[in-house]
Amino acid sequence: DAGVIQSPRHEVTEMGQEVTLRCKPISGHDYLFWYRQTMMRGLELLIYFNNNVPIDDSGMPEDRFSAKMPNASFSTLKIQPSEPRDSAVYFCASSSPDRGSQQYFGPGTRLTVT
Amino acid sequence: GDSVTQMEGPVTLSEEAFLTINCTYTATGYPSLFWYVQYPGEGLQLLLKATKADDKGSNKGFEATYRKETTSFHLEKGSVQVSDSAVYFCALSNFGNEKLTFGTGTRLTIIP
Repeated sequence: DAGVIQSPRHEVTEMGQEVTLRCKPISGHDYLFWYRQTMMRGLELLIYFNNNVPIDDSGMPEDRFSAKMPNASFSTLKIQPSEPRDSAVYFCASSSPDRGSQQYFGPGTRLTVT
Repeated sequence: GDSVTQMEGPVTLSEEAFLTINCTYTATGYPSLFWYVQYPGEGLQLLLKATKADDKGSNKGFEATYRKETTSFHLEKGSVQVSDSAVYFCALSNFGNEKLTFGTGTRLTIIP
């Protein structure tokens, strides 16, 4: 089985531009998580979904960030407008209760906002 | 709320040394405990887990025992290799919740 797929792997954009990160979870997993990782703040949970429904978005830093999951095989994290402090590695992970809370992480998207 | 505390890094060891990375937790109920590893440039991957008190998780020579009396889940390996250089995260889940609470991570560097 393919693992969690994220695209793009690297994104460089200018401040003020819209950025869209994409994630395809493992087939059959009904939980999807978005994380952000920086040297200063470590690993932060931004939002997670269960059966395509957002369950907890308390980690979303501000209104510039939004996430959607239109179907079981696709999710997006959008930043509009982007700022230099958004530069980080963004990870998507998925899980299934059948696997005892083990989360499977994607390779991440490294975002640089100049 | 639930929390995980792990030893500050970075940790630098010589090859074949004994490794311990401490992890303690605060949680109500009976959480499941995990160690994840992140190799350079990659996402996190599960290293081992334990779901109840006194369980021992093990993988790739690493071990950790779920100690409820001391609320700990310390990671150990008897003889580390250069390829073990990575960041290690302790984590817990509680009440059957798929959400994980992570520690801050410990960077481990093994020198030949």
